[in-house]
Amino acid sequence: QVQLQESGPGLVKPSQTLSLTCTVSGVSISSGGYYWTWIRQHPGKGLERIGYIYYSGRTYQNPSLKSRVTISVDMAKNQFSLKLNSVTAADTAVYYCARDRGILLDGYYYGMDIWGQGTTVTVSS
Amino acid sequence: EIVLTQSPGTLSLSPGERATLSCRASQSVSSTFLAWYQQKPGQAPRLLIYGASRRATGIPDRFSGSGSGTDFTLTISRLEPEDFAVYYCQQYGGSALFTFGTGTKVDIK
Repeated sequence: QVQLQESGPGLVKPSQTLSLTCTVSGVSISSGGYYWTWIRQHPGKGLERIGYIYYSGRTYQNPSLKSRVTISVDMAKNQFSLKLNSVTAADTAVYYCARDRGILLDGYYYGMDIWGQGTTVTVSS
Repeated sequence: EIVLTQSPGTLSLSPGERATLSCRASQSVSSTFLAWYQQKPGQAPRLLIYGASRRATGIPDRFSGSGSGTDFTLTISRLEPEDFAVYYCQQYGGSALFTFGTGTKVDIK
């Protein structure tokens, strides 16, 4: 079955770059059709989409984070990655990767059907 | 940006009772673009409903969604112990038009 797994440092110093990787198994990113997405959740708060990458390499970043976010894909490793630079304590959160199926031919948005377990990132000196 | 406001913030019910959760949009949302998720403590969200009323794979039929325009509802017909969780609605109107609701916590009375 399809699985996603986040990996990366759990502690990042202020002003440094947060780097996370999502390893995808059970489906090839290069097969297309999905938006590989990063979501975060601040402690005790709701969900925020950071952005996504499509297999073609097209990306989208949340405008509130756009200047600090880079999302990339490594087809050979079947991974996609998030880099968030110049982090502050406000970036402390649980970070999830997810597969977003987008809008299919029937016109329905099929939602984010597969999620990683999430990884906690704390920004602190 | 479309704001999704969920109510109530917390719903206290007993197992076996019916739960009705509301998601109100600040402007009209296509029902085909509305999804619901369940999140339990320490876990990732799980897709329950897409297209406002279609159950995702493996979701029990006690979960149902309805609504149109600016008002959407998630109903759990009879609460099971595993249903006590936080529920989020989410709308997708294109790459730049994607928001989550504020969440409703369903806890045990």
